[in-house]
Amino acid sequence: DAGVIQSPRHEVTEMGQEVTLRCKPISGHNSLFWYRQTMMRGLELLIYFNNNVPIDDSGMPEDRFSAKMPNASFSTLKIQPSEPRDSAVYFCASSSQGLGEKLFFGSGTQLSVL
Amino acid sequence: GENVEQHPSTLSVQEGDSAVIKCTYSDSASNYFPWYKQELGKRPQLIIDIRSNVGEKKDQRIAVTLNKTAKHFSLHITETQPEDSAVYFCAASLRMDSSYKLIFGSGTRLLVRP
Repeated sequence: DAGVIQSPRHEVTEMGQEVTLRCKPISGHNSLFWYRQTMMRGLELLIYFNNNVPIDDSGMPEDRFSAKMPNASFSTLKIQPSEPRDSAVYFCASSSQGLGEKLFFGSGTQLSVL
Repeated sequence: GENVEQHPSTLSVQEGDSAVIKCTYSDSASNYFPWYKQELGKRPQLIIDIRSNVGEKKDQRIAVTLNKTAKHFSLHITETQPEDSAVYFCAASLRMDSSYKLIFGSGTRLLVRP
C-alpha cells in the first residue's frame, strides 16, 4: 500500500487566493483526519470524518476553512480566502476501526501564504 | 474538551543515557495513548502505544507507562542514540459514539548528543 497520499507537497500562494489541499487515505480505512502543524500551536485537529461523514469540525479555525469527503478515497481541505497566518504544514491521516485508533499520516502539505 | 499537556518541551541527553517524557490528560474517558516520533521535515510516525487496561508496555529500548488514576503517562527511551533525536508527541484518544479522535500534546524536542 502506498500509504496516505497528499498533494501538493508544497504550495506557495498570495494572500486572498483560494487553496485546495488533497488527500487519499489508505484503502479500507474509514476514518480521515486533517491536522495543522505550526511551531506555536503544535498539531491541531481541524476536522475528522468517519465513513465519509464529518463528525467533528470544532477545530476548523473559521469560515474560511472547509473540508469535504465525497467518497471513501478522497478528501479536500479548502481555504478561501487564504491569509498569511494560515501558513503551516497540513497533515492528513487515516485509520481503520479494525486497527483501533492507530493513525497513519501522509507526508503533509507545506503551505506558505505570502 | 480533552486537553493533553506534555513536558518537557526540549530535552538534551548524552548518548547512552535515558530520556523520559511525560504527559497528562484531562478526560478520564480516554482509553488509548500513542506516542509519535517526527523527524525533521517528515511525517509523525507511531512508535508505541498503550491502552487503558495496561499499565506498562515495552518494545526494545522504548517503554510507556500509564497511571489512569493520576491521568498521566510517560515515554521512556533507554540507551539513547543520535538517531533518536526528533520531536516526540504524546496523544490521548477520545471516543465519540462509533468514532474517535486523537488529541496531541505540544511535543518534546529530544536531542541526543554523541
